[in-house]
Amino acid sequence: GEDVEQSLFLSVREGDSSVINCTYTDSSSTYLYWYKQEPGAGLQLLTYIFSNMDMKQDQRLTVLLNKKDKHLSLRIADTQTGDSAIYFCAESKRNYGGSQGNLIFGKGTKLSVKP
Amino acid sequence: DGGITQSPKYLFRKEGQNVTLSCEQNLNHDAMYWYRQDPGQGLRLIYYSQIVNDFQKGDIAEGYSVSREKKESFPLTVTSAQKNPTAFYLCASTDSPTNEKLFFGSGTQLSVL
Repeated sequence: GEDVEQSLFLSVREGDSSVINCTYTDSSSTYLYWYKQEPGAGLQLLTYIFSNMDMKQDQRLTVLLNKKDKHLSLRIADTQTGDSAIYFCAESKRNYGGSQGNLIFGKGTKLSVKP
Repeated sequence: DGGITQSPKYLFRKEGQNVTLSCEQNLNHDAMYWYRQDPGQGLRLIYYSQIVNDFQKGDIAEGYSVSREKKESFPLTVTSAQKNPTAFYLCASTDSPTNEKLFFGSGTQLSVL
C-alpha cells in the first residue's frame, strides 16, 4: 500500500528530546520530508533528507533514515513549548501523472510539550 | 513579501450550494496543489496543476472543480455534489512540477450550515 505510518501523539517535558517516528513505503523516494503544522495554520517544511543519506542535522533537528527498514525519525533536542505542533512525515508519490510535487503524508504526530 | 494567500479563513456552506476557495501566490511558482485535511488524518490531494490552463485530478477529486487561468491563481470550487465538505483545505505550490518541496498557504476551514 501507499500508507505512511506515524504514531498520533507524543508528550514530552520542556528541555527533553523528542523523537517522532515514521515508516514509509516507497524505497524509490528521492527525498523524505518533515512538515510542521501549528494550530489553524498551513504546513511548513521543517527539514528533509535525501535518500542516499542516513543522517542530517540542522540545529536542534536531527533526521535519521534507515532505508532497509523504511524508517524515518525526527529528533528535536531541547524541546521547547513553541515546538508544540503536529509533525507530518511525507514521501514522494511516484508515477502519479508526472508531477513529483504530490507527496504522501502520514496522519501526523501531535507533539505536546509540558512546561 | 512572497507567499501564498488563501481566503477566506473560514467559510460556511449551505445545503446545495457551491462555494469557491481562493488561492493566490506571488512566488512565480509553476505548480499548484489543493489538499484536504480531516481531523486526525493526513493530507489528501484533490487537484493539482503543473502549468497554466492545465490541471489533473488527485486522489479525491469527486465533488470538486478547479481552474488555472492565471499562473498566480488556482481557485477550488466545492460543489453540491461533495456530500461531506467539512474539512480544512490547504493550497500549496512548488516552483516546478519536479520540485517536491511544497510551500503551503494558511488554509481555509469549510463548514456546512
